[in-house]
Amino acid sequence: GAGVSQTPSNKVTEKGKYVELRCDPISGHTALYWYRQSLGQGPEFLIYFQGTGAADDSGLPNDRFFAVRPEGSVSTLKIQRTERGDSAVYLCASRLRQGPDTEAFFGQGTRLTVV
Amino acid sequence: KQEVTQIPAALSVPEGENLVLNCSFTDSAIYNLQWFRQDPGKGLTSLLLIQSSQREQTSGRLNASLDKSSGRSTLYIAASQPGDSATYLCAPLGGGTSYGKLTFGQGTILTVHP
Repeated sequence: GAGVSQTPSNKVTEKGKYVELRCDPISGHTALYWYRQSLGQGPEFLIYFQGTGAADDSGLPNDRFFAVRPEGSVSTLKIQRTERGDSAVYLCASRLRQGPDTEAFFGQGTRLTVV
Repeated sequence: KQEVTQIPAALSVPEGENLVLNCSFTDSAIYNLQWFRQDPGKGLTSLLLIQSSQREQTSGRLNASLDKSSGRSTLYIAASQPGDSATYLCAPLGGGTSYGKLTFGQGTILTVHP
């Protein structure tokens, strides 16, 4: 597609349930990022992939959060045993490659609400 | 660990004014710095990218400068318009121990009133 696509755009789930958030990066982009944004805050880094591997997962808050990118394109962020504090907008971004001349492009985000 | 601060946190100006938004970062080992705008309830739109070897980039009424050694970038908006109202975010792209990671500040909320 022309841009980064995230699905679903909105997700409401009950506390304790499992959720999956999907990101389709721009075709050919090797770097993929996940961020979380709470109301009134800047995006908070979660994890980034270079190809299929997680190059840096230092932002994942705990072991309930996990992300995969098995074929180096689509990525899924998985949250187990959701808590109300997980409610936020989850943003995905991609870059063509690692390099100083490449921009990051963001999707529209998935708004997750845990009730 | 990279930390990014944006000043001011909020700014309200009348249409037509020239504006300066400030971004400072603690780790100067960066590859580039991007400025984004975010409209309410939306994702981030890239405005400008400055590579670490560059001092300035311009796009229309926007001009961004980068002083890597002092850890500062500014975004200059000329002749502001109500359509410029949004949150502006800067994000340096890390090198060294933060290799490949984009780190964001809290943003500057800009309101331009007619």
